[in-house]
Amino acid sequence: GENVEQHPSTLSVQEGDSAVIKCTYSDSASNYFPWYKQELGKRPQLIIDIRSNVGEKKDQRIAVTLNKTAKHFSLHITETQPEDSAVYFCAASKWSGTYKYIFGTGTRLKVLA
Amino acid sequence: GAVVSQHPSWVICKSGTSVKIECRSLDFQATTMFWYRQFPKQSLMLMATSNEGSKATYEQGVEKDKFLINHASLTLSTLTVTSAHPEDSSFYICSTSYEQYFGPGTRLTVT
Repeated sequence: GENVEQHPSTLSVQEGDSAVIKCTYSDSASNYFPWYKQELGKRPQLIIDIRSNVGEKKDQRIAVTLNKTAKHFSLHITETQPEDSAVYFCAASKWSGTYKYIFGTGTRLKVLA
Repeated sequence: GAVVSQHPSWVICKSGTSVKIECRSLDFQATTMFWYRQFPKQSLMLMATSNEGSKATYEQGVEKDKFLINHASLTLSTLTVTSAHPEDSSFYICSTSYEQYFGPGTRLTVT
């Protein structure tokens, strides 16, 4: 089955710096890759996603890149702010009657003021 | 995005008892929903796929007789943890099947 690896597990950056989180997936049939932000005790919230027919997508300070050949995708956060501090999860999925998501292990991002 | 609610938000129960968690889709009809559990500082682990009007599909290693899922209507899926034990203490979250809008989660503590 699908396996998703995520690195690093923890990441500390200075406010204003960039943060990059990387994920690799095993199932080449996966075609939808969302990223979620989860604050302590709260539900994960979708922040950006990318489909396999696109190599890069940007939304203000957040961008995601996808390399289908290498089967990895990355989340880039620029000009980080303290409110970006949270746990970030990547996920991979494919359509098989429904979308079933396999999550990465999470990255705890801390933005230091 | 879709609005998903869960009830209760937290529950404490004694070992051996059963607990029911409700997941409601408030503004759309959900033929499929997912149930996850999340241990502290860990990722979301998919437990099962809940299908309206039919049996749930369980992931490998998840006991279907212990985690009973019922999806009797297009707006309600329930997860019942039967004969709960302390190791079942976790954060249980449901989600929609598309774009994964999550419920707020239910924190279960079994004493």
